[in-house]
Amino acid sequence: QQQVRQSPQSLTVWEGETAILNCSYEDSTFNYFPWYQQFPGEGPALLISIRSVSDKKEDGRFTIFFNKREKKLSLHITDSQPGDSATYFCAAKSSNTNKVVFGTGTRLQVLP
Amino acid sequence: AQTIHQWPVAEIKAVGSPLSLGCTIKGKSSPNLYWYWQATGGTLQQLFYSITVGQVESVVQLNLSASRPKDDQFILSTEKLLLSHSGFYLCAWSLGGRQDTQYFGPGTRLLVL
Repeated sequence: QQQVRQSPQSLTVWEGETAILNCSYEDSTFNYFPWYQQFPGEGPALLISIRSVSDKKEDGRFTIFFNKREKKLSLHITDSQPGDSATYFCAAKSSNTNKVVFGTGTRLQVLP
Repeated sequence: AQTIHQWPVAEIKAVGSPLSLGCTIKGKSSPNLYWYWQATGGTLQQLFYSITVGQVESVVQLNLSASRPKDDQFILSTEKLLLSHSGFYLCAWSLGGRQDTQYFGPGTRLLVL
């Protein structure tokens, strides 16, 4: 059972546009949501994260919007750059466990 | 600064042969350690985690086992590889406790033929 879902599966935007990546989850005990960026052949790198007590987290061009009632998150990448082309994973964790569930991933392509 | 090293970088192995993958964390005392598996083009599946030396918890076994012989070392192994073991194996660490963030190593690419 996939507890964390991401959409779209792949996304193409032009340089300078805003890319919006979506994530939803089922387990209401999840309270920590990191987003990872992964380039081919490399390990995932933490991009930005949010806790369920917040509804927004911003870090430069990357912003997470969180809707606890609907169990949904979105990652907004503004002024997208070709170097942002990668696969993005949403993950979810409960603070009382060491288990982390990763989403299915969104493959982003930014065209120059 | 913390560094995480995985070995080998890549392996090609025969079905039925044994496997041992390693992970070492430097610059952090008593980290939580994790093993993940990622199929090509797929998501990450957590396999094992360890919060202390000698203690390993299984999340999904996939006919693999894990051990933590030292504070800074995490080993993933099996005595008999299956074709389905092919993929990308990632080690990660976290501070544990309320610190939930996991940091990943460079990974080991495994191809089972």
